[in-house]
Amino acid sequence: EAEVAQSPRYKITEKSQAVAFWCDPISGHATLYWYRQILGQGPELLVQFQDESVVDDSQLPKDRFSAERLKGVDSTLKIQPAELGDSAMYLCASSLAAGGPEAFFGQGTRLTVV
Amino acid sequence: GQNIDQPTEMTATEGAIVQINCTYQTSGFNGLFWYQQHAGEAPTFLSYNVLDGLEEKGRFSSFLSRSKGYSYLLLKELQMKDSASYLCAVEAAGNKLTFGGGTRVLVKP
Repeated sequence: EAEVAQSPRYKITEKSQAVAFWCDPISGHATLYWYRQILGQGPELLVQFQDESVVDDSQLPKDRFSAERLKGVDSTLKIQPAELGDSAMYLCASSLAAGGPEAFFGQGTRLTVV
Repeated sequence: GQNIDQPTEMTATEGAIVQINCTYQTSGFNGLFWYQQHAGEAPTFLSYNVLDGLEEKGRFSSFLSRSKGYSYLLLKELQMKDSASYLCAVEAAGNKLTFGGGTRVLVKP
């Protein structure tokens, strides 16, 4: 069964360090989302890609966060420098651009900044 | 912008019925999703409503009223494994998917 792959599953980093997360969406899914989920809250959209183009990054803290999807397939989300408040679950999801409405989520990366 | 409201927490007894309400304000509405999320796991898709009315899928049903900006998820014959968070999400133009804060449902024996 096709699934969204994310790595690493867990990451502990010191504040001010750089950290990167990787996501490989389901094959053929043109839309890719990165969400941040703080414990006890709903997922918050950070960035949305349509193929290799950014569709929405209005909630992405661009002074420290960056995201890319160079070939329109897999994607990387980077934080530099990490802050204590960045501790959260980072979820990647993908969906077909049209026709297949639901987004499928990866298992997420649990980030702890110490 | 979008605003999505759902209760923070609900408690129900095994075998009972629970209804989780979701109200939303958005522009360019395409549809509304419900996802289930167990603690420490990724959200999994439950239902998708585009048109007004009730969609039934086994023990779970979802209702949508586009004119009222309102949806609910109905869980029948509750089981212990239904203890989880339930996320309401609105899809707007351009496939933008925005989630509410989630409703934590605790099923007691």
